[in-house]
Amino acid sequence: AQSVTQLDSQVPVFEEAPVELRCNYSSSVSVYLFWYVQYPNQGLQLLLKYLSGSTLVESINGFEAEFNKSQTSFHLRKPSVHISDTAEYFCAVGAAGGYNKLIFGAGTRLAVHP
Amino acid sequence: EPEVTQTPSHQVTQMGQEVILRCVPISNHLYFYWYRQILGQKVEFLVSFYNNEISEKSEIFDDQFSVERPDGSNFTLKIRSTKLEDSAMYFCASSEAGTGHGYTFGSGTRLTVV
Repeated sequence: AQSVTQLDSQVPVFEEAPVELRCNYSSSVSVYLFWYVQYPNQGLQLLLKYLSGSTLVESINGFEAEFNKSQTSFHLRKPSVHISDTAEYFCAVGAAGGYNKLIFGAGTRLAVHP
Repeated sequence: EPEVTQTPSHQVTQMGQEVILRCVPISNHLYFYWYRQILGQKVEFLVSFYNNEISEKSEIFDDQFSVERPDGSNFTLKIRSTKLEDSAMYFCASSEAGTGHGYTFGSGTRLTVV
């Protein structure tokens, strides 16, 4: 079985500041890792994912996440946030291979202030 | 970009009533899922569905819940006799090619049981 812990329920930050949203997971098998974003009144959108290979993965809008196997972490970072990044961010894990369900963390609300 | 469509966006129902939440997955996807998110809590897996049968279900998905793919496009979640604690946002998701590709989620149906 897998589990996900998002350590921060809310992260307030000023515009153009860097941000890190933390995610730790546990699993007895190999996993894939995901970050999803949910804007107000919208569904969950895939932001980025780690399957294998390079431990640093990037999204098209400047976010990046690094898979750290020894620390069982997959923290999400952005060097300079925008007001439009205000949203709920969910870390998720799924057993590698097949069509396995995703297990989600509780979410982190990122609030970017001017 | 292809979308997963959920209807209705909001549903209010009386306790004990039956509700059907509807989803139209992406047309070439083969795996379908229902998740729910109680306000302020984690996104939780309910059930996965493939080849016209349930492939996995969580302990939340008891006898009050059922899923169906009545035709080639719709995927429904039925709750037979709603309880107050069924109030949540329900998300439908579909997947084309396995966990590694992530899932495409709908915008959700907010179910309120009064």
